[in-house]
Amino acid sequence: KNEVEQSPQNLTAQEGEFITINCSYSVGISALHWLQQHPGGGIVSLFMLSSGKKKHGRLIATINIQEKHSSLHITASHPRDSAVYICAVMYNNNDMRFGAGTRLTVKP
Amino acid sequence: DVKVTQSSRYLVKRTGEKVFLECVQDMDHENMFWYRQDPGLGLRLIYFSYDVKMKEKGDIPEGYSVSREKKERFSLILESASTNQTSMYLCASCYSTGAVEAFFGQGTRLTVV
Repeated sequence: KNEVEQSPQNLTAQEGEFITINCSYSVGISALHWLQQHPGGGIVSLFMLSSGKKKHGRLIATINIQEKHSSLHITASHPRDSAVYICAVMYNNNDMRFGAGTRLTVKP
Repeated sequence: DVKVTQSSRYLVKRTGEKVFLECVQDMDHENMFWYRQDPGLGLRLIYFSYDVKMKEKGDIPEGYSVSREKKERFSLILESASTNQTSMYLCASCYSTGAVEAFFGQGTRLTVV
């Protein structure tokens, strides 16, 4: 069974800290998403990766296809970054599965 | 902008009712998905569809069925709602080829009483 493992499950940081969230998957994929979910449930796609690295503002996402691993980094974290971050992988058979999510709390 | 629209944000239904959750996307996506999200369990795939009238079971299809009569609409059906189907339901869609970006609906929080 395909699995997507995400760590840590919960993360508390002080404002300004550098944050890393990790995602590992077990079989080959066509793409990986990093998603953000704020209280209330709405999900926003932050990044879609198939290789390399992407940057958007203070957010950086990397993927290592050989190691089947991706990381989401937040630089200079801010309380408004507090949310659940979810890794989602798209398999070659069009199936899409999710990690369990990382609940991030950034304290002022 | 791509839009994935779920018909309701909040629903309250009684045990035994037949419940329809609707999802519509406006970008001609081939793939559509229904997930439920529960605390501690994350998002779990119920069903997905890769074309009109085509469907595949996900991890937790029991108690659910789906319908895809038109490409833009993917319906999730609870044949006889039960309290353990109280959850947040999320719809997603994407194209079927290449490294594609997925788009998500806003979620439907269903409470079965």
